[in-house]
Amino acid sequence: DGGITQSPKYLFRKEGQNVTLSCEQNLNHDAMYWYRQDPGQGLRLIYYSQIVNDFQKGDIAEGYSVSREKKESFPLTVTSAQKNPTAFYLCASSISLGRERQKLFFGSGTQLSVL
Amino acid sequence: GQQVMQIPQYQHVQEGEDFTTYCNSSTTLSNIQWYKQRPGGHPVFLIQLVKSGEVKKQKRLTFQFGEAKKNSSLHITATQTTDVGTYFCASGGSNYKLTFGKGTLLTVNP
Repeated sequence: DGGITQSPKYLFRKEGQNVTLSCEQNLNHDAMYWYRQDPGQGLRLIYYSQIVNDFQKGDIAEGYSVSREKKESFPLTVTSAQKNPTAFYLCASSISLGRERQKLFFGSGTQLSVL
Repeated sequence: GQQVMQIPQYQHVQEGEDFTTYCNSSTTLSNIQWYKQRPGGHPVFLIQLVKSGEVKKQKRLTFQFGEAKKNSSLHITATQTTDVGTYFCASGGSNYKLTFGKGTLLTVNP
């Protein structure tokens, strides 16, 4: 099956702990993204990567870090500096629909909660 | 990114009634996309609109892009329980940054 796999589905973080969310895709897409979803807040962009070994900050990058060492993988680390990490995290990849237009394909998400 | 405001935030309808959600921007949008997220699920791409005044239909769903490219709407005719979910509009700029509206949660009473 082609798609985007996020793991784990549920994750718990203790105070002061870093946690890493996994995102793998076998769609051969160049671009990948991380969004955070809070109730009533829609989706907010954390980081995105257009190609391997390159990534840019989104609108709410503080307290998060990413890496893009392989085309298939785009892990997100939620650091202890992120003071309100409880949220639903969505990973996505995209294909181009034309100039400057990307169609996003989302994974099933990871729900992160703080203990 | 290009900011988009979406209204209403919630809409509850009886099955068979129509539903419309609106997406507005203070600036001209290069394009508008619509996604649907079922309860407990992830967003799924529905459609993209690019041209001024563009109208596209998918069965009972009608998507419109305003003449000034500052607003868009999604209209569902005769809602069904399968239409339940949150509908998001999103617009992209020149750098892969797709900005999402806050979504409209649709619930349908059978």
